[in-house]
Amino acid sequence: AQKVTQAQTEISVVEKEDVTLDCVYETRDTTYYLFWYKQPPSGELVFLIRRNSFDEQNEISGRYSWNFQKSTSSFNFTITASQVVDSAVYFCALRRISGGYNKLIFGAGTRLAVHP
Amino acid sequence: EAQVTQNPRYLITVTGKKLTVTCSQNMNHEYMSWYRQDPGLGLRQIYYSMNVEVTDKGDVPEGYKVSRKEKRNFPLILESPSPNQTSLYFCASSETGTGIQPQHFGDGTRLSIL
Repeated sequence: AQKVTQAQTEISVVEKEDVTLDCVYETRDTTYYLFWYKQPPSGELVFLIRRNSFDEQNEISGRYSWNFQKSTSSFNFTITASQVVDSAVYFCALRRISGGYNKLIFGAGTRLAVHP
Repeated sequence: EAQVTQNPRYLITVTGKKLTVTCSQNMNHEYMSWYRQDPGLGLRQIYYSMNVEVTDKGDVPEGYKVSRKEKRNFPLILESPSPNQTSLYFCASSETGTGIQPQHFGDGTRLSIL
């Protein structure tokens, strides 16, 4: 069975703090993709990053960075020097590649509140 | 502009009154899908369509129907809505159903069934 767990339901930080959002996944596949999406208060879903299971390099994009560790089945997301505009719900998702269509398995989401 | 368009964005209706949520994409994508989002559960797939000829159930299809008569449109139909279908709904599309391209999501439709 495939599953994505985001254990942190809500996180509250003060602006400029660093914050890490945890994502742990379960799959028996050796080949899969992991995604992060952002859902701001306006409600739309914004794609942030895709990572395949063969690429364990960490990625940095501005204040955002992602740490993929296959050994612990984790794909954590860190925001450095958080800003109020980062306030949103963040979803981690898993997609198998072999034998399946393009279904995303989502975690329950983590609501991040960044206060001035 | 490439986009997935859902209508309506908000709807309040009553139990049993048939409703349709439309979804249209302008990217010539083969694959389209519907998800519902509920607190504590994330997004769960309702139905998907690999192409105009192939449509199938997702994880939570009960109470829903879909139709894919044209490539660009994928409406979600609630024949007899019930309060447990109150949710935030998202339509999504991608180039194919088996590729690795990220799905593009619409802006969401918030349904309230009284």
